[in-house]
Amino acid sequence: NAGVTQTPKFQVLKTGQSMTLQCAQDMNHEYMSWYRQDPGMGLRLIHYSVGAGITDQGEVPNGYNVSRSTTEDFPLRLLSAAPSQTSVYFCASSWGPSNQPQHFGDGTRLSIL
Amino acid sequence: AQTVTQSQPEMSVQEAETVTLSCTYDTSESDYYLFWYKQPPSRQMILVIRQEAYKQQNATENRFSVNFQKAAKSFSLKISDSQLGDAAMYFCALHDAGANNLFFGTGTRLTVIP
Repeated sequence: NAGVTQTPKFQVLKTGQSMTLQCAQDMNHEYMSWYRQDPGMGLRLIHYSVGAGITDQGEVPNGYNVSRSTTEDFPLRLLSAAPSQTSVYFCASSWGPSNQPQHFGDGTRLSIL
Repeated sequence: AQTVTQSQPEMSVQEAETVTLSCTYDTSESDYYLFWYKQPPSRQMILVIRQEAYKQQNATENRFSVNFQKAAKSFSLKISDSQLGDAAMYFCALHDAGANNLFFGTGTRLTVIP
């Protein structure tokens, strides 16, 4: 009964490096989202997907790419890491739009030096 | 634009007592949902309670209840019989029909004193 699984849990990158944060869910949810959480702020939506093959931008999409080739997986790519992307990243899924309860992963703490 | 405001950065409560966390919001939509999420030190976000705007009755989940004042755009969370495990950051969040997005407040850190 895994729910939403995010990997890695921690990562340190150098400015300019690229990487992919992985997110997988085993609940057959259509909706998946990526949020970032910064100190003193609430979670902000980066990108979301309403089903396989469909993605859209959220509130703070710049510097990130996503794809959704399967229902289960929704990876988040940082193309060229910047210190401003230092944050905690959460993946979430739900069976419907975000008016439905979201199931969150444990988060990835990412530091960009 | 949608906004969610939590004016209490920190709150504390004695174990077994009752505490109320405040949240105000703004939206131009008439169809929306409000949530309280809990984030313990483990970092995982956990849904505490959900309220549909069209329902006049306040939502309740065991020791957790809300006071939803639609006209005042207020959505406070009451925790009764507080337990040590209630210690966490609590986030108020809004979803409205105009956006496929959850808008979060800045959170309230709740400390439970034994």
